[in-house]
Formats: sequence, structure tokens, C-alpha cells
Amino acid sequence: QVQLKETGPGLVQPTQTLSITCTVSGFSLTSYYMQWVRQTPGKGLEWMGFIRSGGSTEYNSEFKSRLSISRDTSKNQVFLKMNSLKTEDTGVYYCARGVMPTYWGQGTLVTVSS
Amino acid sequence: DVVMTQTPLSLPISLGDQASFSCRSSQSLLHSNGNTYLAWYLQKSGLSPQILIYRISNRFSGVPDRFSGSGSGTDFTLKISRVEPEDLGVYYCLQHTHLPLTFGSGTKLEIK
Repeated sequence: QVQLKETGPGLVQPTQTLSITCTVSGFSLTSYYMQWVRQTPGKGLEWMGFIRSGGSTEYNSEFKSRLSISRDTSKNQVFLKMNSLKTEDTGVYYCARGVMPTYWGQGTLVTVSS
Repeated sequence: DVVMTQTPLSLPISLGDQASFSCRSSQSLLHSNGNTYLAWYLQKSGLSPQILIYRISNRFSGVPDRFSGSGSGTDFTLKISRVEPEDLGVYYCLQHTHLPLTFGSGTKLEIK
């Protein structure tokens, strides 16, 4: 069955870089878009970006050049990296499958604090 | 960016009653290919959002037929014909016609 699971650091210091891995099973990354969505107290649900089945990416300009999405199809993993973290980046980060997000991971809570 | 406005913020409902949620977009969600990419999600407490409806009115696999979606252009509605206890949570609309994808701020369905 389709499964997605995010793994993140939990706590990140301001100005540092966030790295989250989404490990999937039950489908191929070369067949589906993979999205990153976050949920913060300040802005609610926010689309961050996606990586297409072919490997190209689109990002929300809100995150300007801070964000990078990549994947390793051999390991069934999708990666999110975001630098210059601020306290406002505290929230739950989700990966989701599909042009229209259908299957979602459980989310990983990221707290940005010194 | 397309702004998605959901009303009301909170919806107190008695079990068995009908619930209606509104979602309005700041520009038309009609894509040049003729489809309108408006979806509805339910987020139960402590869980990830789960998809209910896609392309305005199509129920996702396993979603009960008491859920229905309607609308066009910039004005959309989700209805629950008879609210059951497992329907409680926050309902969000999402547009994926335009980039960036944007979500509404949600409507919380509560028991009256």
C-alpha cells in the first residue's frame, strides 16, 4: 500500500539549514509528483514546492532561494532542504503524493529555536 | 497568488444536521484545459489532511456519499448531508489550477 514518512531533525537553530527526508513505498517516484506542504501557526497550510515525476521542480516564491527539493529514486526518497531558518518556520512539514496532494505522510514537527 | 477565502471560521452543528462550507477564490480556477482544480480536505485533530473531493465535485475513493461538492469559477461549496461524529475537524479548500498552490484558512466543524 501507499506509504509516506517524513524524517526530520526536530529542533533547528535560527539561521541554520533544515533537511527533511520523505521515504515512500508502494509506488514509484518516477510516476508521481511529490509535494512539500507545511503547516505553521502563523500561516496555516502552505504549499512549498514539488518535484515532478520527470525530476523537474517548482517552488513557491515565498521561500525565494532558500528552498531546494530533490530525490533519489533508487532509495525511494524525496528531500527538502531549506536554509536561513527563522522562528516563523516552526511547524509541521508534510510530503504528499500527486499533482493534487492525495496521500500524505504523518508530518514531522520542526521547531526553530536557539 | 490566488487567495482562497473560507467561511465561516467555525461551524457549530448538531449531529445529523446538514453542514455547508464556503470557499471563494480571488480569481477563476477554470484551467485552460477546461478543468477546475478545486479540492476539499478534512484534517482531524493530530492527523494529516485527508482528501475528500477533487475537481469541485468528485469524491475521492472511500469518501462517503454524504459529502458533496459544487460550484464553478470562483465560488465553491462543500456539503455534508448528515453530520456524523467522525466528520469533526477542520475543512480546507485547495486550488491547484495556478501556481503557487494555495489553501484556504479552514473552517472548523464543531458539535453544537
